[in-house]
Formats: sequence, structure tokens, C-alpha cells
Amino acid sequence: AQKITQTQPGMFVQEKEAVTLDCTYDTSDPSYGLFWYKQPSSGEMIFLIYQGSYDQQNATEGRYSLNFQKARKSANLVISASQLGDSAMYFCAMREGTSYDKVIFGPGTSLSVIP
Amino acid sequence: NAGVTQTPKFQVLKTGQSMTLQCAQDMNHEYMSWYRQDPGMGLRLIHYSVGAGITDQGEVPNGYNVSRSTTEDFPLRLLSAAPSQTSVYFCASSFSGGGLYNEQFFGPGTRLTVL
Repeated sequence: AQKITQTQPGMFVQEKEAVTLDCTYDTSDPSYGLFWYKQPSSGEMIFLIYQGSYDQQNATEGRYSLNFQKARKSANLVISASQLGDSAMYFCAMREGTSYDKVIFGPGTSLSVIP
Repeated sequence: NAGVTQTPKFQVLKTGQSMTLQCAQDMNHEYMSWYRQDPGMGLRLIHYSVGAGITDQGEVPNGYNVSRSTTEDFPLRLLSAAPSQTSVYFCASSFSGGGLYNEQFFGPGTRLTVL
């Protein structure tokens, strides 16, 4: 069963605007971690931000922030002040406490930033 | 540090041929994983390892073998290549200590085409 869902295959955002990329997950483990990675057209995978299930506050990292709604099992990535270089694929991923040697990814969202 | 290295970068195989994708990391990471990336499906976990001598199956293990004789190396073997194995393959590693928060470091990927 799909554990990570990203319902937006493709998104467009105007330069300098904010954008939210959705991620919902499914787990019965109370302990888990959520990750977001960026994959530009060059192909490398770049770690952006992490949120732990027990973290009291939403994670932030520069222009990236995570809108973590634990009860809804969602961990949406918010990119503020979009830049042309933000055009890329974005992947949500999860590591569960009972199997933290294993990380599962969602299908990804393609973001295009329009000048 | 070279980080995670993968060879080759590109490979074309004929159906039925065998080959090994190489992955090495110099960060002394215990955890290593292989993923395949296909359009619209994100990264799917093939096999993973928690340390030398220990491997386990991921989401899509069929048609692939792995072994882990050293901490540094985690090769992926295709015993009899099939066109369905045409994909981009990523190797990743992460530190094992500290629990859930350990980002994965990815190699540059191997683009494999099976004719």
C-alpha cells in the first residue's frame, strides 16, 4: 500500500510567490520522521528539511518550512519567495521508528517557477 | 570526501545480460539503500542494508541481488536484465546513530537501458 501520497503531479508558481507542495502519509508507528528532497533537472537529490513526529514546532530551513499536521497525517512543504532555481521535482519521504533503516518516498511533485 | 559514488553513469544492456551497478561511500555510514526512479512513481526501494553482512528487501526486490561485504560498498546485481528494469538507479547512505533524523546522501545515479 502506498505510504506516501503526493497528489500534485505538477505545479506552477509565479516567481517571488509562495507555494505549498502537499504530502500525506500513512503509518501506525507513533515515532517517525518526514523528509523533503529536491531533484533539479541535473538529477541529484538534495535534502531540504526534516520533521520528527514528536517535534513540537514545525520545521523551518531558510525559505523552506513544513506545515506539519499530525492528526491529518500531512507534512506539506512551503517554499516562500519562489526563485527560478526552485524549478525541480520535490519528493516527500518517511522513515518509521520500527524500521528506521528504511526510507520510503512518494511519487513526487514537479514544480515550475514562472518568471 | 567523495560522498556516495556510483558507476557506471550510463549503461545499455540487452535482455538477458547480467551486470553489477557499483556503489561506494566514504562517510562510514552503516545504512545503505538502492532505489529505482521511474516517471510518476518516485523512488522505489529495491534493497537496503544496515551494515556489513546484513541486507533486506525493499518494495521492488525482484530481479535484483545485493550483498554487503564491507561498510563502504553496496553493489546491486541484475542477474538477467529485462526491459522493465530500464530506469535510473540511485544509491543512498545515511548515518545510523541518532535515531530517525539522519538524512540520506545520494549518489549521482546510473541510467540503465535494457533493450
